[in-house]
Amino acid sequence: AQSVAQPEDQVNVAEGNPLTVKCTYSVSGNPYLFWYVQYPNRGLQFLLKYITGDNLVKGSYGFEAEFNKSQTSFHLKKPSALVSDSALYFCAVRDPRSGGGADGLTFGKGTHLIIQP
Amino acid sequence: NAGVTQTPKFRILKIGQSMTLQCTQDMNHNYMYWYRQDPGMGLKLIYYSVGAGITDKGEVPNGYNVSRSTTEDFPLRLELAAPSQTSVYFCASSPFRGGEAYGYTFGSGTRLTVV
Repeated sequence: AQSVAQPEDQVNVAEGNPLTVKCTYSVSGNPYLFWYVQYPNRGLQFLLKYITGDNLVKGSYGFEAEFNKSQTSFHLKKPSALVSDSALYFCAVRDPRSGGGADGLTFGKGTHLIIQP
Repeated sequence: NAGVTQTPKFRILKIGQSMTLQCTQDMNHNYMYWYRQDPGMGLKLIYYSVGAGITDKGEVPNGYNVSRSTTEDFPLRLELAAPSQTSVYFCASSPFRGGEAYGYTFGSGTRLTVV
């Protein structure tokens, strides 16, 4: 079974500082990994993904994430935070070898990112 | 290009009532999904569909039913509403299984309260 953990319910960062939102995963094979962002009263928006290749992936709005297979992590990062980055962030995983049963992504519980002016 | 459209945006149901949450996408995506989002619990997959006429259960299907008669539409049916079904419901679609290439496109959600 696949699972994903986001250990922090909330992350507070001052504007202009670097930010990191943590994510660890568990799958039996090589994972497909995703980050989504949710603004208040909106649906989730796709930020970035790791499928294969370079461990550092770049996505929308200046975000990037680093895939670390040995630590089974996929942390979301941004060099300089903006107040407008404040939102709820979800990490998601899928085992590409999964067949039958429940298809689709498994999401973490979400991390509230608060950027303080 | 509207993407994924969900209706209604809000609804209050009484225990035992039934309703259908509508979901329509205009991107010709084969894969469609229904998730529910509970506070502090992330998103749980209710049902999914890999194409017209094909549906399957997700992680939390009890109390729900779906149908997929066309590529565009994927309605979610609640037959006997219970307070445990109070949640925010999201419909999503993808051109590829699991959203590998482009991620999922989500609707804006339906906030359902059962009293």
